[in-house]
Amino acid sequence: GAVVSQHPSWVICKSGTSVKIECRSLDFQATTMFWYRQFPKQSLMLMATSNEGSKATYEQGVEKDKFLINHASLTLSTLTVTSAHPEDSSFYICSARGEGRTDTQYFGPGTRLTVL
Amino acid sequence: DAKTTQPTSMDCAEGRAANLPCNHSTISGNEYVYWYRQIHSQGPQYIIHGLKNNETNEMASLIITEDRKSSTLILPHATLRDTAVYYCIVRVGNTDKLIFGTGTRLQVFP
Repeated sequence: GAVVSQHPSWVICKSGTSVKIECRSLDFQATTMFWYRQFPKQSLMLMATSNEGSKATYEQGVEKDKFLINHASLTLSTLTVTSAHPEDSSFYICSARGEGRTDTQYFGPGTRLTVL
Repeated sequence: DAKTTQPTSMDCAEGRAANLPCNHSTISGNEYVYWYRQIHSQGPQYIIHGLKNNETNEMASLIITEDRKSSTLILPHATLRDTAVYYCIVRVGNTDKLIFGTGTRLQVFP
């Protein structure tokens, strides 16, 4: 299957700082990438969908000014959590999909964010 | 959006087949059924997907009923490493979004 990586795998930051998480498709070109968030003992919640070269589409209730998404190339998307607060502590997971309507989404290993 | 219903948890003895059911009675004709699993603190792993016909790959088999209102994921010989949360997902229309439900927690025991 296709490989998706995320960096960093975990990060601890102080309240008020910004954190950037990278998502890369290693062996395929990802026309679309997705960002999810997962709180402990809960399911994944879709935050936004990003297509290469265009603005991300955010799900209802997700603040686009707080969670900045950039998808500048076919292999890289970034999620920046701006002015992070303890309630933003979560497991952030990206997925990537190649071209074609039926192409499968492949997920990254996730990034554990802890805001102190 | 088509929703799915899965049992909260299931147990399976190691070496036996694990049959995980999923109901998706409101599925539309062009919507695919996807199965992923998530091992603790990892990203979801793709297992298999299908539209109408039964599908098989090296990991599992997917049986979809003729009316497409339900499906079953079959792990033919479960191992301890198959212990995970299994998600049955109907891809949303033409948006390509995957909306995760609560999934089934499969516990494989020795």
